[in-house]
Amino acid sequence: GAVVSQHPSWVICKSGTSVKIECRSLDFQATTMFWYRQFPKQSLMLMATSNEGSKATYEQGVEKDKFLINHASLTLSTLTVTSAHPEDSSFYICSARELISNQPQHFGDGTRLSIL
Amino acid sequence: QKEVEQNSGPLSVPEGAIASLNCTYSDRGSQSFFWYRQYSGKSPELIMFIYSNGDKEDGRFTAQLNKASQYVSLLIRDSQPSDSATYLCAAFTKFNKFYFGSGTKLNVKP
Repeated sequence: GAVVSQHPSWVICKSGTSVKIECRSLDFQATTMFWYRQFPKQSLMLMATSNEGSKATYEQGVEKDKFLINHASLTLSTLTVTSAHPEDSSFYICSARELISNQPQHFGDGTRLSIL
Repeated sequence: QKEVEQNSGPLSVPEGAIASLNCTYSDRGSQSFFWYRQYSGKSPELIMFIYSNGDKEDGRFTAQLNKASQYVSLLIRDSQPSDSATYLCAAFTKFNKFYFGSGTKLNVKP
């Protein structure tokens, strides 16, 4: 159980393009979803936390107008990187957890984004 | 001070040995603790979680929690080269926040 599906797994696109990444919890209701970014050989960096039906909470230094997060249902959250530039190239990973206390985060497989 | 601290390593152990990975946390009110394994280029996967003081065993893995010392550890018995990865420790606090350590890189040498 506790499967999180993330799509697409790999995106290559031109500078200026907007890219949408989907994160779905397949067998549980994810009241909270998280979006991370990870550069090569570096730690996970939390970008934002989203709760179903409410606005996402962004970490300091993350541009909310650049990284649009929507968590419209208990099983789906999306991250849209708007007007992507080469410096946005990274490994983006979502995770999800149930509201039940002490439940872990379950991670998707990640999306590797390359902006040319 | 970081909420969760880990030695970045790398920790090198020979195949068949016990690997001991350690983690400390700063929020005494933290309720639960998780160990994730992350292979290079992949996303983290959950290995174990622990809520209560003491040891919790699952196959070759044992998680240990000492709330008085604010210390969590993961022991890997009979280490295999396939265990070579970065191990992330995470704490869930009473404020419904998750904090991850920066990870310890483990190398198991054949």
